[in-house]
Amino acid sequence: NAGVTQTPKFQVLKTGQSMTLQCAQDMNHNSMYWYRQDPGMGLRLIYYSASEGTTDKGEVPNGYNVSRLNKREFSLRLESAAPSQTSVYFCASTGSGVAGTQYFGPGTRLLVL
Amino acid sequence: AQSVSQHNHHVILSEAASLELGCNYSYGGTVNLFWYVQYPGQHLQLLLKYFSGDPLVKGIKGFEAEFIKSKFSFNLRKPSVQWSDTAEYFCAVSTSGTYKYIFGTGTRLKVLA
Repeated sequence: NAGVTQTPKFQVLKTGQSMTLQCAQDMNHNSMYWYRQDPGMGLRLIYYSASEGTTDKGEVPNGYNVSRLNKREFSLRLESAAPSQTSVYFCASTGSGVAGTQYFGPGTRLLVL
Repeated sequence: AQSVSQHNHHVILSEAASLELGCNYSYGGTVNLFWYVQYPGQHLQLLLKYFSGDPLVKGIKGFEAEFIKSKFSFNLRKPSVQWSDTAEYFCAVSTSGTYKYIFGTGTRLKVLA
C-alpha cells in the first residue's frame, strides 16, 4: 500500500494564479483532511471530509476550496493564490470512525511569489 | 474553542538525558489524545494515543505519555533520548463525536550526540 500520496511535491506560483493540490489514499479510509504547517504555528486544519460526499471547514478555510472526488481522493484548490498561502500542505486520512489514527502524506511545499 | 498548548518550543538535550514535553488542552468533555512525531524531511507519524483506560500510555521507540484529567495534560516522556530522536513533536486532541483534530504548535527537539 502507498498510504497517502500527494502531488505535486513542490510548486511555485505567482500571486493570483490558481492550482489544485491532489491527495489520494489507498487504505479505504472514510475521513480525509487538509492541513497547512507554518513555522511556530503547528498544523492548522483547512478543510476536512468526514465521509464521501461531505466536506466541512476547519480553522483556516479562507482562500481555499475542496472536493471529495470519491472515497480515495480529496483535492484542495487555491483559486487566487496569495503570498500568505506560502506553506507546507499535508493531507491526512483516518479510518476507524471517530478519532482514529491520522495517516499523513509527504506534504506539498507551496511558494507564492 | 478547543485549543492545545505546547509550552516548550525548542528543547536541546544531550544523549541519554531524560525528556518531558508538556501538552495541555482546553476542553471539558471526553477527549482523545495523540502525540505525533515529524523526523527531518519526513511526514508526521503517530507516536502514541490515548482513548480510554490506563492513563499511562506506551508508544513506539520507548516513548510514553500520561493523561492527567484534572490537569488537562498529556505530557510526553522518554527516560533516555537518542540522537535519532531529533525531530518535531506535536500533541493533538480530538473530542468524542467529532472528526476534527486540533494540533499544538509543536516542539522542536535537538539531541546532541
